[in-house]
This record gives sequence, C-alpha cells and structure tokens, in this order.
Amino acid sequence: GENVEQHPSTLSVQEGDSAVIKCTYSDSASNYFPWYKQELGKGPQLIIDIRSNVGEKKDQRIAVTLNKTAKHFSLHITETQPEDSAVYFCAAKEGNTPLVFGKGTRLSVIA
Amino acid sequence: EPEVTQTPSHQVTQMGQEVILRCVPISNHLYFYWYRQILGQKVEFLVSFYNNEISEKSEIFDDQFSVERPDGSNFTLKIRSTKLEDSAMYFCASSGLRNTEAFFGQGTRLTVV
Repeated sequence: GENVEQHPSTLSVQEGDSAVIKCTYSDSASNYFPWYKQELGKGPQLIIDIRSNVGEKKDQRIAVTLNKTAKHFSLHITETQPEDSAVYFCAAKEGNTPLVFGKGTRLSVIA
Repeated sequence: EPEVTQTPSHQVTQMGQEVILRCVPISNHLYFYWYRQILGQKVEFLVSFYNNEISEKSEIFDDQFSVERPDGSNFTLKIRSTKLEDSAMYFCASSGLRNTEAFFGQGTRLTVV
C-alpha cells in the first residue's frame, strides 16, 4: 500500500520568512495530493491540493509542487504569519482509495 | 459554508463499555470515512463507506468496530467494548462525487479509563 513520509517534523521560521514542507510517496499510482492544516483541538482543514496532471498550484501565499518522477511533493508558504502556526499534514491517494497521511510538521512562526 | 459536524466533542468511557460516535457529513456527499489520531501522531484511516456499505477498512477496524448510516444524514462509529488503546481523536470525513477533496469534522476526543 501507499506510504507517505513527511519532513521536517518541526519547523520554526521568523514571521515574514518562507516555510517549506516536503513529502514523498511510494505508490506511483497515487494521483491526488492534498495538504491539511490542523490547529490545536481542531480537525484537519484542507488548505490546498494538487492532482497528478499538474506540476504546481498556487493560492495566495500557499503553493504546492509535485514531481511525479521523483514521487515527491512540497508545500511552500511565503510571508509567514503567526496564524500560520499549526501542524501541517500531507496526504496521498489514488482513485477511490482512502487518504494516507504523513506524520505531520509542526510549524511555528515566531513574531 | 457546509461542514462536517461531530458529536460529542469529548467522550469519557470506562473500559469495556460501548460508545457511539456520531457524524453528520456534508449533505450532498457520497463517501464517508472515519479516521483516528492518537495524541501527537498522524491521522490513520479506519473505514470508508459508500452506497450503504463498507468499501474499505484498515487493520485497526476489527470486529469491535462497526459503522452505520441509520438515516439520510447521520453516520456513526460504534466501538463495542472499548479498550484503553482506543483513546484517541476520532475524525469523520466526507467527499463528494469525485471522491477527492475530503472534509473533516472537528473530531471526538475519546478517553477510555
């Protein structure tokens, strides 16, 4: 089955700097890659996703890149703000299979 | 904005007792899921449900677990005889027709004592 590795496990950045979180996946059949943000005591919130027919997608300060050949995808947050502090999870799936999550990255944005 | 709602937010139960966790998925969604997250760990898949039957389940989802969609809106997870290791956050999620974007509820924190 699919296996998703995520790193780093923790990341601290100064407010205004960029943050990059990376994930790799094992199943070349996976074709959908979402990113979730989880704030303390809340459920995962979908923030951006990318499908395998696209290499990059951007939504304001957030972008995701996908390298199908290398089987890795990354989340980029620019101009970080304190409210970006949370745990971020990447995930992967193929077709109707369930999402397989990475272990999460705790992002701290220091004001 | 439509959202997945879960009740209760926190459930404390004695070991060996039965618990039912409740979810109301987004109304026009067709695929329903339960995931769990042990404190500080990643989100793990339990079961998926489509067309009134289980479509896939993980190794975690043993005979002590069951799911039901008793009416057109609720989706429940039952744990028949809870164990200490069942303590976790349980998340319900739902997806629409394309079964890609999955939206999660706020979770139920289950504490087995």
